[in-house]
Amino acid sequence: EVQLVESGGGLVQPGGSLSLSCAASGFTFTSYAMSWVRQAPGKGLEWVSAISGSGGTTYYAHSVQGRFTISRDNSRNTLYLQVNSLRADDTAVYYCAKGRGDGITSFSYYFDYWGQGTLVTVSS
Amino acid sequence: DIQMTQSPSSVSASVGDRVTITCRASQGISNWLAWYQQKPGKAPNLLIYAASSLRSGVPSRFSGSGSGTEFTLTITSLQPEDFATYYCQQANSFPPLTFGGGTEVQIK
Repeated sequence: EVQLVESGGGLVQPGGSLSLSCAASGFTFTSYAMSWVRQAPGKGLEWVSAISGSGGTTYYAHSVQGRFTISRDNSRNTLYLQVNSLRADDTAVYYCAKGRGDGITSFSYYFDYWGQGTLVTVSS
Repeated sequence: DIQMTQSPSSVSASVGDRVTITCRASQGISNWLAWYQQKPGKAPNLLIYAASSLRSGVPSRFSGSGSGTEFTLTITSLQPEDFATYYCQQANSFPPLTFGGGTEVQIK
């Protein structure tokens, strides 16, 4: 059974940082691209970042480029998102999501499994 | 960036009704489109990918169609568990991957 479990969210002041993690199990982690998708309270879904199965290719949304860093440790089956210089509009539930492929084709960016999400609140 | 526009933003329907949701892309995306269902407090669930391919385990009352810039999700014979918010997502051109704004299917 595929499982994705996020952790690391919390309350942080504007300008602060957090490190989010997503522990994966039930599939061959290195074979699949992974993404982070966020959802602000009462709002729609916003894709944040993606990383290929090997970790060699990363993508970011314009709104987080230069502030967030996605990475993965394939030996630990864990996905990470380092979030820096946080702003109030970064407040959201952050989901990790598994792609359907290894990141080489667009097929990889359909998300077939999602975690339960971790809430990041940016407030003074 | 490719913008995804869903309509309507909400729809009221009864159990047994047929519901159609439209998603338009600001430029052609071939068939690189997915549909997700999200219930309150839960993560989204993939229903359809490649515009019309039904994910294994998803009921056959869900179907998708379209290509290029216009796509539809149809739910035939709406069931109580189908009341939720539905999102389209393009995977043709990124970054960024983009989602539509969502369509809430409410009980009439």
